Amino acid sequence: DAKTTQPTSMDCAEGRAANLPCNHSTISGNEYVYWYRQIHSQGPQYIIHGLKNNETNEMASLIITEDRKSSTLILPHATLRDTAVYYCIALAVNGGYQKVTFGTGTKLQVIP
Amino acid sequence: NAGVMQNPRHLVRRRGQEARLRCSPMKGHSHVYWYRQLPEEGLKFMVYLQKENIIDESGMPKERFSAEFPKEGPSILRIQQVVRGDSAAYFCASSRGANNYGYTFGSGTRLTVV
Repeated sequence: DAKTTQPTSMDCAEGRAANLPCNHSTISGNEYVYWYRQIHSQGPQYIIHGLKNNETNEMASLIITEDRKSSTLILPHATLRDTAVYYCIALAVNGGYQKVTFGTGTKLQVIP
Repeated sequence: NAGVMQNPRHLVRRRGQEARLRCSPMKGHSHVYWYRQLPEEGLKFMVYLQKENIIDESGMPKERFSAEFPKEGPSILRIQQVVRGDSAAYFCASSRGANNYGYTFGSGTRLTVV
């Protein structure tokens, strides 16, 4: 897997957009950027993934830079329930098995 | 359309006992992954299995830990002679194939060794 780096922690005011950055400067052409989050004591939850184009779903938007060396996960209107650890992972699809390693992620605290 | 089912949710064992953790993957998923999360730490990969085969056990401790995924039934993570340091949350994930269209995680089993 391409190594990813994320800030250790971030705060966001409730109702504001939360922008979580991720650097993946060594990402390969066949590696997607996946985002998961882990709310306290729960299993990790899939959020979104993308290859080149920006993606949006009901949970979040994913903005990937043109050179694909970094990306930003956007939670448009953060709520207290979005407080969690967010993991950014580079994952090859159609490349056979590869061990998926979760880094330390970004601990997002949404503040009332 | 059940997700990944893990049981039990909570398991308490005395030192020296055996712990058996079960994971039923999502319907249509034949690849299972086990992760361990120690208190206040991140997720650590343990083992990857397909039906009846261990593909990657590079994260498994060398002793006391074993995993299986039989042709029928759930995947089992077995910890023999548990010690206090085994107290952790154990998460199972499944995927449709090794090409990894993302993982779906279960809710985990919280093992407490007393």
